[in-house]
Amino acid sequence: GAVVSQHPSWVICKSGTSVKIECRSLDFQATTMFWYRQFPKQSLMLMATSNEGSKATYEQGVEKDKFLINHASLTLSTLTVTSAHPEDSSFYICSASRGIPPYEQYFGPGTRLTVT
Amino acid sequence: AQRVTQPEKLLSVFKGAPVELKCNYSYSGSPELFWYVQYSRQRLQLLLRHISRESIKGFTADLNKGETSFHLKKPFAQEEDSAMYYCALNHNQGGKLIFGQGTELSVKP
Repeated sequence: GAVVSQHPSWVICKSGTSVKIECRSLDFQATTMFWYRQFPKQSLMLMATSNEGSKATYEQGVEKDKFLINHASLTLSTLTVTSAHPEDSSFYICSASRGIPPYEQYFGPGTRLTVT
Repeated sequence: AQRVTQPEKLLSVFKGAPVELKCNYSYSGSPELFWYVQYSRQRLQLLLRHISRESIKGFTADLNKGETSFHLKKPFAQEEDSAMYYCALNHNQGGKLIFGQGTELSVKP
C-alpha cells in the first residue's frame, strides 16, 4: 500500500511553454503533498507543501507564479512549470502524506523535465 | 535553525565491512528523524525512523540527543546496500521534512 505515481515520467518542452506534472496517491488519501526538486547527485530541495483544498505554501526562494501547485483532491496534486526556461530542467519529485502521525511521506518516482 | 548535516558525500567500503553513515541535526525541539534510501533508478523509500527503534535490512540508527546525531550503522555491508542515503528531520511535527545532503554508499566486492 501507499503508492504514489507521477505523470509523465519524463518530458521535454521548449523554452517559454508550460508543462504540468501530476502526482497521485493511488491507494490512500493524501491530506498533504510535497513537491521537491533534485539535481543530479544532490539532495532533495523542498519547493512547496500543499494541503488539499488550500493554497500551497512555498519555500523561500521558490517563485509561486512560476511553479503553480494545485491540490484539488485528496489523491491528486499538480505542479505546473510556467514559461519554462532551460534552468528549470531538473528532476521533480512529489511525495504524499496522510497528514497524521507519524507523518510518513511516500515518494513518487519523479519526473525528468528538460527544457530546450 | 533546523538543519541536517551529512558530512560524507561518498562512503566506499568492501563487502562484509562495517559501515556507518553519519548524520547530525540541529533542532530546538524533540526531533523526529528518518533515514531514506534511494537505490539506482528507483524512488526514495523510507529505511527506518528513530521512534520505531527497528532494524531494517540489518541497518540500525540510534538517536543521540547529547551529540545531536542519528548515525546509520550496519555491521556487515552487502553489495546491494550500494545507494544514496538521506537523513531527514521532521520539521515541527507537521510532516515537512528537512533532508541532509545525502551520502552515496558504495560497497565493493
